[in-house]
Amino acid sequence: GAVVSQHPSWVICKSGTSVKIECRSLDFQATTMFWYRQFPKQSLMLMATSNEGSKATYEQGVEKDKFLINHASLTLSTLTVTSAHPEDSSFYICSARDEERGVLDTQYFGPGTRLTVL
Amino acid sequence: LAKTTQPISMDSYEGQEVNITCSHNNIATNDYITWYQQFPSQGPRFIIQGYKTKVTNEVASLFIPADRKSSTLSLPRVSLSDTAVYYCLGGPGSSNTGKLIFGQGTTLQVKP
Repeated sequence: GAVVSQHPSWVICKSGTSVKIECRSLDFQATTMFWYRQFPKQSLMLMATSNEGSKATYEQGVEKDKFLINHASLTLSTLTVTSAHPEDSSFYICSARDEERGVLDTQYFGPGTRLTVL
Repeated sequence: LAKTTQPISMDSYEGQEVNITCSHNNIATNDYITWYQQFPSQGPRFIIQGYKTKVTNEVASLFIPADRKSSTLSLPRVSLSDTAVYYCLGGPGSSNTGKLIFGQGTTLQVKP
């Protein structure tokens, strides 16, 4: 099956620093990847759509200057949380769209990255 | 994108069959219904996907009536390890955005 990896699996940083999270599709190419955030006991909230070779599309209320997304290749998207603050502490999950299956395209999710900002 | 409604929680016992029903009254013609399973501190895992009638794989069955306004995920003979949150999503069909919007999901608790 399609596998998506994330790195790191967890990170602790000081307030004011920037953190980069990588999302890779390991056995398929993905022109589109998605970034979600999940707070404890809550559902996943879509943050942005990452498009290979073009700018990301952000959901309403998500600051694009704070959450920088780069999708430089067909297998890698990165999310950088800039000037992180404690309220940015959350579980960040990426997904990749397996477009080779045509209409029945399905998103496959990474294992998530736990970010804790002190 | 189809808005979905599921029960917030369900309890079951080991060995029982569990059916989780999802309502999606405004599902679009091109939308598929997809179910994901999520364990704590993990990303969602794809379970099953269908358009209409019945789909079965090694993990579950998905029943979709002709009007497609609802769907039922059936988990045969659940075990303790099936305790998780289950999400029903409608979309993305032929949407160029491919976006999936997660609802609250159903927390399934399997008891011994």
